[in-house]
Amino acid sequence: AQSVTQLGSHVSVSEGALVLLRCNYSSSVPPYLFWYVQYPNQGLQLLLKYTSAATLVKGINGFEAEFKKSETSFHLTKPSAHMSDAAEYFCAVINSGGYQKVTFGTGTKLQVIP
Amino acid sequence: DGGITQSPKYLFRKEGQNVTLSCEQNLNHDAMYWYRQDPGQGLRLIYYSQIVNDFQKGDIAEGYSVSREKKESFPLTVTSAQKNPTAFYLCASRSGGRQTGELFFGEGSRLTVL
Repeated sequence: AQSVTQLGSHVSVSEGALVLLRCNYSSSVPPYLFWYVQYPNQGLQLLLKYTSAATLVKGINGFEAEFKKSETSFHLTKPSAHMSDAAEYFCAVINSGGYQKVTFGTGTKLQVIP
Repeated sequence: DGGITQSPKYLFRKEGQNVTLSCEQNLNHDAMYWYRQDPGQGLRLIYYSQIVNDFQKGDIAEGYSVSREKKESFPLTVTSAQKNPTAFYLCASRSGGRQTGELFFGEGSRLTVL
């Protein structure tokens, strides 16, 4: 069965510092991977997605993620944190095997300290 | 504008009552999903539907029911059998023809049982 694990339910960074949010996946077939962001009491918005075209994926708001098959990882990074980046971030996986089930991680809340 | 509309945004219910959450999309997507979100648990899949008149149970379907009579609509009923229904509910849709397609989310419905 497919799954994703997000390490760290809470991450704090200083404004201007590097943001690193971790996601590891488990899948028996090549996965498609996604990062979403959620602001309080709102739905989820797509940040970026990996669909096997390129291992380094650039998304919105300066975020990017690198797919590393050897490490089964898809970590999200941003070189310089902004106050507006404070939100909850979710990693998700869909198997490429034809099933439509989408599985989410438990989320990481990012706090940005002025 | 294309998107997903969930209603109501806030709903209060007495114990023992059934409630129905509405989800409508005008994105012409085949697949639709219902997730439940609780603090610290991420998003858990309740039901999903890949085509009209067909739906599958997700990971936590007990105490919930759905219907998919129209492509645009996927209402969720929270029944009195659901032991702990207080949660944030998210509806999403996805283009069924593209395995790499991402989920599009509504703004959510917050259900509180009094």
